[in-house]
Amino acid sequence: ETVLTQSPTTTAASPGEKVTITCHASSSVSYMHWYQQKSGASPKLWIYDTSKLASGVPNRFSGSGSGTSYSLIISSIETEDAATYYCQQKSSDPPTFGAGTKLELK
Amino acid sequence: QIQLVQSGPELKKPGESVKISCKASGYTFTDYAMHWVKQAPGKGLKWMGWINTYTGKPTYADDFKGRFVFSLEASASTANLQISNLKNEDTATYFCARYWEYFDYWGQGVMVTVSS
Repeated sequence: ETVLTQSPTTTAASPGEKVTITCHASSSVSYMHWYQQKSGASPKLWIYDTSKLASGVPNRFSGSGSGTSYSLIISSIETEDAATYYCQQKSSDPPTFGAGTKLELK
Repeated sequence: QIQLVQSGPELKKPGESVKISCKASGYTFTDYAMHWVKQAPGKGLKWMGWINTYTGKPTYADDFKGRFVFSLEASASTANLQISNLKNEDTATYFCARYWEYFDYWGQGVMVTVSS
């Protein structure tokens, strides 16, 4: 199976800062998807097909990458962005998720 | 609007069984696969498998073969997850998620607690 390694595991940033979350795949994947999960809630599709924002996602979020290395970038973080973010691939079976990156606001 | 509404929380003893439902609305149920995802307390997301909502054929991840059964009540646009012979390590929140190249809609999750 394709293992997804996210970094960092946790990070804290102040409002207005730029944040980058990376996801490294153990083998090449065609696309990466990202989900946001807030405490006590179900995950939400956040970025799909590597760089497309899901409905309602602010444009301060972006996604990029190819092959084995992908990123989720927040250009100017806001308090509402505090959450855990998971990457996910389906290029090879089984679908796998990264372990998650917890983003906290200072 | 598209919704996946899951059944309520469950408290079970080891060895018992539990059945969780996921009722879909707002779209044609048989047009999209339904997947199941486990999240243990404080942990990440683990894919359990999926069911073809058109044919009813289930596919299970290796860690979920044997005690886990996916089923459908297609006429009611409902997917079910049954877990038998519950163990302490089955304590988790179980999500259903609609799949179309990615998991675009999720149920609210069902917390299953296994405790003697």
